[in-house]
Amino acid sequence: AQSVTQLGSHVSVSEGALVLLRCNYSSSVPPYLFWYVQYPNQGLQLLLKYTSAATLVKGINGFEAEFKKSETSFHLTKPSAHMSDAAEYFCAVSSNNAGNMLTFGGGTRLMVKP
Amino acid sequence: EAGVAQSPRYKIIEKRQSVAFWCNPISGHATLYWYQQILGQGPKLLIQFQNNGVVDDSQLPKDRFSAERLKGVDSTLKIQPAKLEDSAVYLCASSSEIWGTEAFFGQGTRLTVV
Repeated sequence: AQSVTQLGSHVSVSEGALVLLRCNYSSSVPPYLFWYVQYPNQGLQLLLKYTSAATLVKGINGFEAEFKKSETSFHLTKPSAHMSDAAEYFCAVSSNNAGNMLTFGGGTRLMVKP
Repeated sequence: EAGVAQSPRYKIIEKRQSVAFWCNPISGHATLYWYQQILGQGPKLLIQFQNNGVVDDSQLPKDRFSAERLKGVDSTLKIQPAKLEDSAVYLCASSSEIWGTEAFFGQGTRLTVV
């Protein structure tokens, strides 16, 4: 079985500040890990993914995430928040023996203050 | 390239009525998924198709939910009869391969059961 825990259902940062969204996973096999963003009334858009290559993964819109096996973490960061980053962010895991079926965390709503 | 198309975007029905959602995946994508996203939660996989065969439907409430992908392209998800707790956004996604590749999501159908 696999699971994802996102610490903090709501995160508020000031524009220009560091964004850090936390994700911890549980998987019995080497995982594929994903971060998706969801804007209001929209579907999910892939930000980045880890598929056992480099542990530091760079995605779109200046986001990156680092896979840390020892900590079972895949935290999402961005050096400087923009107002347009305000959205819901979901971490997800998929294991080899489950195909591409994603197990999502509960999501973190990012608010950016001017 | 056209994205994943879903219809309708919104649907309001009374409990015990039936409802159907339609999904047209990205052309050439063999894998299709239906997710249920309850307000404030991450999406939960209901069913995964590979072409017109079911890969996993372990989380589909089969007493009231059904899904089909007869020709390996379009898919429909049906609920009969609907319950209040079925109120959610139903997301369709597709991917070109089954192992660890990006799933592209549609905008979803927001169902309200009253």
